[in-house]
Amino acid sequence: QKEVEQDPGPLSVPEGAIVSLNCTYSNSAFQYFMWYRQYSRKGPELLMYTYSSGNKEDGRFTAQVDKSSKYISLFIRDSQPSDSATYLCAMSAVRSQGNLIFGKGTKLSVKP
Amino acid sequence: IAGITQAPTSQILAAGRRMTLRCTQDMRHNAMYWYRQDLGLGLRLIHYSNTAGTTGKGEVPDGYSVSRANTDDFPLTLASAVPSQTSVYFCASKRDILTDTQYFGPGTRLTVL
Repeated sequence: QKEVEQDPGPLSVPEGAIVSLNCTYSNSAFQYFMWYRQYSRKGPELLMYTYSSGNKEDGRFTAQVDKSSKYISLFIRDSQPSDSATYLCAMSAVRSQGNLIFGKGTKLSVKP
Repeated sequence: IAGITQAPTSQILAAGRRMTLRCTQDMRHNAMYWYRQDLGLGLRLIHYSNTAGTTGKGEVPDGYSVSRANTDDFPLTLASAVPSQTSVYFCASKRDILTDTQYFGPGTRLTVL
């Protein structure tokens, strides 16, 4: 079993829809959780960062972490065509080591 | 312009040739990373450097070497390229090992024939 599992999609939604992206993981030591967005032929960029369990909201984006279920989610409200990208979850256990484990990414397409 | 630059943008290389991918950052970040990204496999860590003068192996280090002579530069060398090294290579950096935000470069698309 891979340490981090993420459905690769592709996921296609109409403009304005609520999008839910998810990752599961197996290592209970993970404490730091991130979502990166990657546009086509570009490098990933950090979108959301969460420590331990709970929710974090930033504009149209909400990140949730459920450590008891080893499950993290990214919600996008009022999705826009400009949200079309690949979304990668990433996580790490020991902050001092700092190496991230990435999911394979979910490709999202928001149709106008 | 602050950030990470990578060179070349893309390259086609004959198998057996030596190739160095360049990565430079001007943010004075201590930690730097090299990843490869392949369809269906995601981002995989090749090598990392927590600070100038030190390097470490990631998940897929075989066939690659790195050096970190100074803070800004972190070149990745393929000593004798093989077709399985065809991939998109990303360099990343962060301020230090205690921070969480990694900044990525634009990537190098490498094809080994």
